[in-house]
Amino acid sequence: DSGVTQTPKHLITATGQRVTLRCSPRSGDLSVYWYQQSLDQGLQFLIQYYNGEERAKGNILERFSAQQFPDLHSELNLSSLELGDSALYFCASSQTSSGANVLTFGAGSRLTVL
Amino acid sequence: GESVGLHLPTLSVQEGDNSIINCAYSNSASDYFIWYKQESGKGPQFIIDIRSNMDKRQGQRVTVLLNKTVKHLSLQIAATQPGDSAVYFCAETYHPYSGSARQLTFGSGTQLTVLP
Repeated sequence: DSGVTQTPKHLITATGQRVTLRCSPRSGDLSVYWYQQSLDQGLQFLIQYYNGEERAKGNILERFSAQQFPDLHSELNLSSLELGDSALYFCASSQTSSGANVLTFGAGSRLTVL
Repeated sequence: GESVGLHLPTLSVQEGDNSIINCAYSNSASDYFIWYKQESGKGPQFIIDIRSNMDKRQGQRVTVLLNKTVKHLSLQIAATQPGDSAVYFCAETYHPYSGSARQLTFGSGTQLTVLP
């Protein structure tokens, strides 16, 4: 157990729908990162939050959004889902705001869009 | 944009042999590198890291070598065991000039299979 908790583990939904993925960082970590892992793209950085504020943005689609709450948990919202959004979504956490740290990853949420 | 890639998508080794997983990076400004291991059904797990002011760093059964001249990174696993079977990713980061936070850029991964 890495200490980073992600729910749900698996999610199956239809195109056009909206889903929310949840992440609780490791105790003491202030930064949360979201990554998307698909078969043909590897691990793609989506977005980072540090202590409630957006710190960096990667290749995140406009249909996707995220936030980090005062208790430091984070949610990734995916809307108007398309087949190509099917992927593993990983959350990672670290103590500081710098991306030059060792990130601790959760087990991921597998999203299947039918 | 800048990218990190791996030379070999798959690697099979006999149990007990040494494994070498290679990684090429294209951003000469990258100054920090990390190797991650991802087992089936799990998230990536930190193995070892190295900063650009070093050429070599050793951990338990693993060694990372950095050749900045040719922008090449390798992970050596000694006495490979069945539990080493996984996908291995290299990741690099550099200080962005935009003022935003550094981020890790991951390579595409190498599947290591340990044969009995």
